[in-house]
Amino acid sequence: DVKVTQSSRYLVKRTGEKVFLECVQDMDHENMFWYRQDPGLGLRLIYFSYDVKMKEKGDIPEGYSVSREKKERFSLILESASTNQTSMYLCASSLRLAGAYNEQFFGPGTRLTVL
Amino acid sequence: AQTVTQSQPEMSVQEAETVTLSCTYDTSENNYYLFWYKQPPSRQMILVIRQEAYKQQNATENRFSVNFQKAAKSFSLKISDSQLGDTAMYFCAFSRSSNTGKLIFGQGTTLQVKP
Repeated sequence: DVKVTQSSRYLVKRTGEKVFLECVQDMDHENMFWYRQDPGLGLRLIYFSYDVKMKEKGDIPEGYSVSREKKERFSLILESASTNQTSMYLCASSLRLAGAYNEQFFGPGTRLTVL
Repeated sequence: AQTVTQSQPEMSVQEAETVTLSCTYDTSENNYYLFWYKQPPSRQMILVIRQEAYKQQNATENRFSVNFQKAAKSFSLKISDSQLGDTAMYFCAFSRSSNTGKLIFGQGTTLQVKP
């Protein structure tokens, strides 16, 4: 059974804290993605990675960074959390072969609240 | 830039009946891919159905089918014989024909199936 896991389901942090969200997939997928989900806005891409140590900015990268040191793990970092980063964060992965047609597999999400 | 619009924030349907969720998109690309993803309450997002733009035939997966109108840039999802387990948020998504597999999502439609 394919699986994408995220380190926390719920997280509460204070303004200014450094926050790490981790995602692990066991499907040997090359592509990994971080999205944030907000009511009325759908999912918006923050960053994605198509290989180890490779990353590209998505549509809303400001205030975020990422790290991919191993193929199975993709971390999202909030360098200095702010209240407007309160959101649901979803990680996903997919095969690189046949690219755009590939199904993305999603993690359960992390609901982050920044106070 | 590509955009995806779901104009129905919420819908409801009686069990066993048929419901259609609307999605329109904007792109200048000729070849691309369209998807419907389902996010059940407190559960992981999963792929429902996908369509390649160069294929004229509408995709079908059991009770789920699409009405793809390329000229109108419309991609609606029809759910037949609705079941309680179909209650979820549904997202329409667009992907360009490339290896990255990046998705652009619509705002989502919350569907409630009533007994």
